[in-house]
Amino acid sequence: DGGITQSPKYLFRKEGQNVTLSCEQNLNHDAMYWYRQDPGQGLRLIYYSQIVNDFQKGDIAEGYSVSREKKESFPLTVTSAQKNPTAFYLCASTPPRRGNQPQHFGDGTRLSIL
Amino acid sequence: EDQVTQSPEALRLQEGESSSLNCSYTVSGLRGLFWYRQDPGKGPEFLFTLYSAGEEKEKERLKATLTKKESFLHITAPKPEDSATYLCAVQDNSGYSTLTFGKGTMLLVSP
Repeated sequence: DGGITQSPKYLFRKEGQNVTLSCEQNLNHDAMYWYRQDPGQGLRLIYYSQIVNDFQKGDIAEGYSVSREKKESFPLTVTSAQKNPTAFYLCASTPPRRGNQPQHFGDGTRLSIL
Repeated sequence: EDQVTQSPEALRLQEGESSSLNCSYTVSGLRGLFWYRQDPGKGPEFLFTLYSAGEEKEKERLKATLTKKESFLHITAPKPEDSATYLCAVQDNSGYSTLTFGKGTMLLVSP
């Protein structure tokens, strides 16, 4: 079955630690996205990538980093510079460039501070 | 800057009690308006895309409509399994455009 797999489902970060969230898709989609969701808030865009080896900052990129070495994978690193990392993180993807295609989402990773 | 406002923030209905959720938006030019359903602890599930004013789409008990300023998600005779948070998002037509999401409406349908 095609889809987007995020792991782990739950993650805990210690003070001063970097953590990496995994996002893998087997939908052959070109574009991938990372969002952050806080309680009672809409989804806010962190980073997105349209093609391999290229990515752009979203609205709240500070304290985060990404890479796109393979079409299928778009890992997100939450660095120690992100002072309020506790949130629900969602990864999404869209098909090859066809204009207004809907984004498909994974089931998220919940990150908490120890 | 694109803006999306959803109302109400939360809505409680009795099973079978029809109602509507509102999504008001501001964009320079609309490429698409998207409705998603999100269950607790899960990622959003795509429901509909609307492209132009006057367009309507239906899926089971849900019907989405679009005007130049807002979209409505009508829920007819809801069931408890329709309980979820419903998210609205817009995409403008300026080059490669990302989505702007509203904060969502949390719907609870009681038996």
